[in-house]
Parts: sequence; C-alpha cells; structure tokens
Amino acid sequence: DAGVTQSPTHLIKTRGQHVTLRCSPISGHKSVSWYQQVLGQGPQFIFQYYEKEERGRGNFPDRFSARQFPNYSSELNVNALLLGDSALYLCASSWLGWGNQPQHFGDGTRLSIL
Amino acid sequence: DAKTTQPTSMDCAEGRAANLPCNHSTISGNEYVYWYRQIHSQGPQYIIHGLKNNETNEMASLIITEDRKSSTLILPHATLRDTAVYYCIVRETYNQGGKLIFGQGTELSVKP
Repeated sequence: DAGVTQSPTHLIKTRGQHVTLRCSPISGHKSVSWYQQVLGQGPQFIFQYYEKEERGRGNFPDRFSARQFPNYSSELNVNALLLGDSALYLCASSWLGWGNQPQHFGDGTRLSIL
Repeated sequence: DAKTTQPTSMDCAEGRAANLPCNHSTISGNEYVYWYRQIHSQGPQYIIHGLKNNETNEMASLIITEDRKSSTLILPHATLRDTAVYYCIVRETYNQGGKLIFGQGTELSVKP
C-alpha cells in the first residue's frame, strides 16, 4: 500500500507570494496533521484535520491555513511568505484523530523562500 | 514544550545493540510513549509505542520502567542504515488529538 504522499517535493518561492502544499493520506486514514520542520529542529505541529474539520491548531499565524477534502486529502496554504517560512513541511496521517494509533509521515515538501 | 529529555548524541558499533534512553518524569497515566526516527531528508518514521508494558516489534523493543518515568528504545543489532535522529514523544491520546510534540531528539551514529 502507498504511504503518505506529498507534492511537490521541492518548491522555491519569493517573499510575499502564496503557496499551496498537498497531501494524500494512507488509504483508510481519516485524519491528517501538518508539521513545519526548520533546519536543525524537530517538527512543530501546525494543524490537525479529521473528517474535514479542524481539530487542532499550533502556534502559527493566520497566514497559515488548511483544509481537508471529502477523500481525506489535504492542502496547506501559506500567504504572504516570509524568509522564516523556509522549512520542510510534513504531512502525517492516522486512522482517527484520537486514540493511540500512530501517525505516519510523508517525506515532506521542502519550501525555500528567496 | 516537549515533555521528554534525551541525550543529544550517541554512537554505536555496527552489529551491537543500540540502547537509546528517554526521561519523561512528568508523564501522566493516560499518556503513551512513542518513538520515531528521522533519516536525513526523509519524514519521521514510526518505530514503536507503549503505555506501561514492554513492547517489541520487527524494528525494535521498548522498555518502560515500572514508574513510567523513563524508557529505553533498543535496536538489537544496529546497522549503518539505523543512523538517524531518534525522537521520544509522550502523547495524551484522547484530548490532544493529532498533536505530536517533538524535542531535539538523539542523533545516533552507527559506526563500522
């Protein structure tokens, strides 16, 4: 079975632009979470979606938004890009939005802001 | 903030067991311990998780102390491909939803 897939794998943008990142969860998984990983640090939680509803939000500005579609795939949108948004953006999926089953990660989208 | 403390780095000889410690002294009764690892340029890979009993799967073993304040991840026969950053995470599974709080992790170097 396919794992979590993310697109694109790499992206270069300039300050002030907008970006959309995409994630397809493992088949049968209904929850998607987004994380930002800056170089040299552990991933930081941005959002969690379950059944198309936001179930959790990390400490990120309103420039960051996301949504989940009926097929459980998800998009992360970032507006007015700043140099500090350069990072690896990771998507993780799990069967439910709670419980002890683990989240499984994709390999991320590496976003570079010039 | 992460609720776990791990050594910054460790070395292990190829073929030997790698024992990675984690302290989580403030863990509460309904929090599980999860281990992930991240190989350079890849996403974190789930390894194992447990509540209070020791757990074993095809990748590793997880030993949790009786008071649950610390745990050890054991890779029984480390290979060069096990070189990675290993993250220990405690997570309350019903109220925190999908949130995993990562610390700095332990950078494990397996040497020939």
